[in-house]
Amino acid sequence: EVQLVETGGGLVQPGRSLKLSCVASGFTFNNYWMSWTRQAPGKGLEWVASITNSGGSTYYPDSVKGRFTISRDNAQNTLYLQMNSLRSEDTATYYCTREQLWVMDAWGQGASVTVSS
Amino acid sequence: DVQMTQSPSYLAASPGESVSISCKASKSINTYLAWYQEKPGKTNKLLIYSGSTLQSGTPSRFSGSGSGTDFTLTIRSLEPEDFAVYYCQQHNEYPLTFGSGTKLEIK
Repeated sequence: EVQLVETGGGLVQPGRSLKLSCVASGFTFNNYWMSWTRQAPGKGLEWVASITNSGGSTYYPDSVKGRFTISRDNAQNTLYLQMNSLRSEDTATYYCTREQLWVMDAWGQGASVTVSS
Repeated sequence: DVQMTQSPSYLAASPGESVSISCKASKSINTYLAWYQEKPGKTNKLLIYSGSTLQSGTPSRFSGSGSGTDFTLTIRSLEPEDFAVYYCQQHNEYPLTFGSGTKLEIK
């Protein structure tokens, strides 16, 4: 069974940093692109970042480019999201997602991030 | 960026009925449209991709159609477990973008 488990969420002040982790199991991690998708309270889904299976290429929307960094450790079956210069609009539940052909075919339960002073 | 407009935002129906949800893209995305189901306490589920291809495990009462800019998710003979929130997502180009969601409730 495919499982994606996010950790590292919490309350953080504006301008500070936070790093999310996602441990994957039930599939061969290094065969798949991975991504992060978020959902602000009461809002829809927003794609945040993607990374190729080797980690050699990464992709971001303009809303987080230059502030967020996606990375992975294939030896540890772990995906990361480093979030810097956090803003109130980054408050959301962040989902770790497995990506195939730019489609999210498996989702984690999510990690809640609140940016507030 | 490709804007995805989903309608209706809210839909009430009874078990056994059929419903359709629309998703319109601001420009052509060929057939690269996915549908997801969101339910409380469960992880999001991919239902359909490439417009009409059912993901493994998706019941056959779900179907997707469309190409270019106009797409439809149809659920025939609603089951109690189908009442959920549905999102569309274009997977034609980055940035990947989602519709705003349709909440399907029991009438």
